[in-house]
Amino acid sequence: GAGVSQSPRYKVAKRGQDVALRCDPISGHVSLFWYQQALGQGPEFLTYFQNEAQLDKSGLPSDRFFAERPEGSVSTLKIQRTQQEDSAVYLCASSLGTSSNSPLHFGNGTRLTVT
Amino acid sequence: AQSVTQLDSQVPVFEEAPVELRCNYSSSVSVYLFWYVQYPNQGLQLLLKYLSGSTLVKGINGFEAEFNKSQTSFHLRKPSVHISDTAEYFCAVSDSGYSTLTFGRGTMLLVSP
Repeated sequence: GAGVSQSPRYKVAKRGQDVALRCDPISGHVSLFWYQQALGQGPEFLTYFQNEAQLDKSGLPSDRFFAERPEGSVSTLKIQRTQQEDSAVYLCASSLGTSSNSPLHFGNGTRLTVT
Repeated sequence: AQSVTQLDSQVPVFEEAPVELRCNYSSSVSVYLFWYVQYPNQGLQLLLKYLSGSTLVKGINGFEAEFNKSQTSFHLRKPSVHISDTAEYFCAVSDSGYSTLTFGRGTMLLVSP
């Protein structure tokens, strides 16, 4: 079946522009995560949704970052007034359950380059 | 707070040689431990996980890892590597709550003929 799909695959934005990154999780998956992976680093947690509820947004680096999942399926990560330090790969992951023994399925990510 | 340390940023090895990728963690609570592999321009794929039970965990592609609570380690091993194992490997930890993962910085495994 289809895995986690992210679009666009690549995004180049000029500093100060707003961007929106989309994640289509596996159908029926309750949990959805966003991670940020800077060059040469491991992924870092941004935010977590359980269905449409955003239960944890402690990893969002600033109030320029906003995520939503209004119908409990597709999620969008929005970054306002992009800065060069926002350049990274943004990974989305989903899982069927809500506990740590429910395996995460990752998408291929969106590579954001801010110039 | 949890943290994961992967001391080796790169591990070069010849094909068919054994390899060990090191991972140490710190956590104040019980943990679940994971190894993920990332091929170029792709997302992360789960190799194996430790949740409970036997401390020796076997995963896909011939990899295995051993949970050592006293040394707070979860090293990844393979007895004989292939060229196709060339990739970035990430160790990760989560607590017993929902599955938010804390990742290490990754180790690049470079397999040459």
